[in-house]
Amino acid sequence: EAQVTQNPRYLITVTGKKLTVTCSQNMNHEYMSWYRQDPGLGLRQIYYSMNVEVTDKGDVPEGYKVSRKEKRNFPLILESPSPNQTSLYFCASSSRQGGTDTQYFGPGTRLTVL
Amino acid sequence: RKEVEQDPGPFNVPEGATVAFNCTYSNSASQSFFWYRQDCRKEPKLLMSVYSSGNEDGRFTAQLNRASQYISLLIRDSKLSDSATYLCVVNKKYSGAGSYQLTFGKGTKLSVIP
Repeated sequence: EAQVTQNPRYLITVTGKKLTVTCSQNMNHEYMSWYRQDPGLGLRQIYYSMNVEVTDKGDVPEGYKVSRKEKRNFPLILESPSPNQTSLYFCASSSRQGGTDTQYFGPGTRLTVL
Repeated sequence: RKEVEQDPGPFNVPEGATVAFNCTYSNSASQSFFWYRQDCRKEPKLLMSVYSSGNEDGRFTAQLNRASQYISLLIRDSKLSDSATYLCVVNKKYSGAGSYQLTFGKGTKLSVIP
């Protein structure tokens, strides 16, 4: 089954404790991205990757890091989480056409930073 | 003008009603347009792409007006299962890296009432 998986699905952590949210897709997609969704603000792109070892900032990259060492995986790293990073996070992937093709989203990771 | 703007609603309509959503976008260079559907606490899923000539998929019709920079979605014969938030999505640029970046509207909430 074609899918995007994220782990963990729910996470409660404390300020400053480094964490990683994993994202994996099995569709051989080249394009992957991370979004956060907050009430009243909608979905905002954090980082995106057009291929292995190619990443770039989205609209709200501050406080986040990503890496793309393999085509299928695109982890999101919060080196020192802060309460303003409490949010619902979605990973997405799409084919080479990227913005002109369907984005497949993972189920989301609900993060709370205390 | 905001990049992508939608009326947040909520739109409360009876079953069987016809409902229309509009969305305006600010970047005249955008070339790809979509409607995504998001159920409560779930990931967004593509509902339909929007083509210049307008397109229909069952009870759903999408229209694009490039001159006025707005997109519309018409839902006929509303079903209870249509209750969701509808996201208007536009790509940032026609070519280059930005064409792979999507801007999401904040969504319009629809509740279909028995």
